[in-house]
Amino acid sequence: NAGVTQTPKFQVLKTGQSMTLQCAQDMNHNSMYWYRQDPGMGLRLIYYSASEGTTDKGEVPNGYNVSRLNKREFSLRLESAAPSQTSVYFCASMKTSGSYEQYFGPGTRLTVT
Amino acid sequence: AQSVTQLDSQVPVFEEAPVELRCNYSSSVSVYLFWYVQYPNQGLQLLLKYLSGSTLVKGINGFEAEFNKSQTSFHLRKPSVHISDTAEYFCAVDGSNYKLTFGKGTLLTVNP
Repeated sequence: NAGVTQTPKFQVLKTGQSMTLQCAQDMNHNSMYWYRQDPGMGLRLIYYSASEGTTDKGEVPNGYNVSRLNKREFSLRLESAAPSQTSVYFCASMKTSGSYEQYFGPGTRLTVT
Repeated sequence: AQSVTQLDSQVPVFEEAPVELRCNYSSSVSVYLFWYVQYPNQGLQLLLKYLSGSTLVKGINGFEAEFNKSQTSFHLRKPSVHISDTAEYFCAVDGSNYKLTFGKGTLLTVNP
């Protein structure tokens, strides 16, 4: 069991470039989440997907889009990167019945110059 | 909507001393409460959670937390810390909608 995997681990972009962060889970979880972590800010929810085929905005969705490709995969896209999007991005998944525990990936460290 | 306040951004302690990391929350609905730990350059992992039942919850690595509904608090404690407990700790609340709201984190530094 790999749990939650994220690619890439590190990325440097120039302002205006686009990229997609990939996330996959092998735990057959229904819900998946994208967070960003900034110093002194904790984790803030960008988008989430309660189940395959559905996505909803979180606290800080501006500048991002998501795709729930299938039950396993949930990608985050930056169409035109800005320096304010420099952050560490975490993907998480949860079963949504019983445990309420979210399982986190190792993170992607993104720098936008 | 719910919110979480972690009252200390940094807590330095000496090895084998007790520690308490404080967390207060606000919510208009019943909540589930969590503490997560993040070791340097890693993702988050669950320490413990309160869903219902006993208000004293025990987690991994000797940590425990007490849910106090009247004071809307969920403080994390450990009677004797180790160097390896140095990490950032996040309190989080789920207002029964499968979305977590996190506090800003408390950096626990355990010194020899």
